[in-house]
Amino acid sequence: AQTVTQSQPEMSVQEAETVTLSCTYDTSENNYYLFWYKQPPSRQMILVIRQEAYKQQNATENRFSVNFQKAAKSFSLKISDSQLGDTAMYFCAFMNPPGNTPLVFGKGTRLSVIA
Amino acid sequence: EAQVTQNPRYLITVTGKKLTVTCSQNMNHEYMSWYRQDPGLGLRQIYYSMNVEVTDKGDVPEGYKVSRKEKRNFPLILESPSPNQTSLYFCASSPNRGYGPYEQYFGPGTRLTVT
Repeated sequence: AQTVTQSQPEMSVQEAETVTLSCTYDTSENNYYLFWYKQPPSRQMILVIRQEAYKQQNATENRFSVNFQKAAKSFSLKISDSQLGDTAMYFCAFMNPPGNTPLVFGKGTRLSVIA
Repeated sequence: EAQVTQNPRYLITVTGKKLTVTCSQNMNHEYMSWYRQDPGLGLRQIYYSMNVEVTDKGDVPEGYKVSRKEKRNFPLILESPSPNQTSLYFCASSPNRGYGPYEQYFGPGTRLTVT
């Protein structure tokens, strides 16, 4: 079974600084999908970014980017120019193809952005 | 507005009293799923449905039932709730019309307390 590990239960960063959240996973599959979800205090789950394993290029969405290292089974999230609104729980998640097999989540990293 | 709705948002009940948490989506999605979120454990899948009348167990199905009689609805049923089912529950949906990765849209969550 696939597992997802987030080794940093809590992190903090100063406003406008850059922070990187770590995620590793375990799978024997060659093709799969990876996601980062954000859960602010409102508890809503919001998709931040996704990566398809067959794509070598790292995904980017505005201030959010990933460092996808397939051989190392690592999928870290970098948040640039951190804003107070980035304060949230962040979950890394894994999905096998095709399409809609279950999402396997890590335990989460609580990020606090400090003014 | 495209959305996943859950009701109720908050529920306090007693051990053994049957309850149903409703989930409805207006995006004509084939795939629907239930997760529970517990501190330090992340989100774990309870049940999922690939389409009408097609349901399957996730990682933690014990004590839960689901049904998928209509495409838009996917209720979660606790026949005899116990305190260990106190948790935050999320419903999610996504398209399932081929090869993914399709974003899963999450409902706002239901906070259940069983005393």
